[in-house]
Amino acid sequence: EAGVAQSPRYKIIEKRQSVAFWCNPISGHATLYWYQQILGQGPKLLIQFQNNGVVDDSQLPKDRFSAERLKGVDSTLKIQPAKLEDSAVYLCASSLQGTGAEQYFGPGTRLTVT
Amino acid sequence: AQKVTQAQTEISVVEKEDVTLDCVYETRDTTYYLFWYKQPPSGELVFLIRRNSFDEQNEISGRYSWNFQKSTSSFNFTITASQVVDSAVYFCALRGGGGAQKLVFGQGTRLTINP
Repeated sequence: EAGVAQSPRYKIIEKRQSVAFWCNPISGHATLYWYQQILGQGPKLLIQFQNNGVVDDSQLPKDRFSAERLKGVDSTLKIQPAKLEDSAVYLCASSLQGTGAEQYFGPGTRLTVT
Repeated sequence: AQKVTQAQTEISVVEKEDVTLDCVYETRDTTYYLFWYKQPPSGELVFLIRRNSFDEQNEISGRYSWNFQKSTSSFNFTITASQVVDSAVYFCALRGGGGAQKLVFGQGTRLTINP
């Protein structure tokens, strides 16, 4: 079974530029998550989708971050404009529907903002 | 609020030693779920185990074992006869029982197994 796919794996941009990340979850997984992991810290949830609806985006900096999940499958996360403090690994995860379902993570996109 | 504390930032042992990674959690929920994930140098988080709050049975999987104690709000992870391939950052995580509850991670413990 294919895992969670993410692209690109690495991205370097200058501050104030925009960037977009793509995620394809495990087939059949209704729930999709985007996390931000700053070096030396645990992942922090940015947004959670159930099918194509947003369940939790309380920690998403909405003035610069946006995410969508069209057709309830693939998802994109966008940052516009980027700041230096956005340098981090952006992880996508998916799970079956259900409160305690384990989440499966993709390889992540390492973003460096200079 | 949910909180997970992994007090050990870094652990270094020699191969074949046993090592225990500590995890202490805080939650007001009566139903909750605990997880351990492994993050090798490649960066991908690998799911290891899930425990719900009503199941305090300890679990063993090969060289890995987990000790869940509600009385001390702890969910510790032991690797027996450690191997170099066990070197990674290990995260403990907690999720509450509601449908929209987020998964809260600890800061992680960096485990280095030296040959």
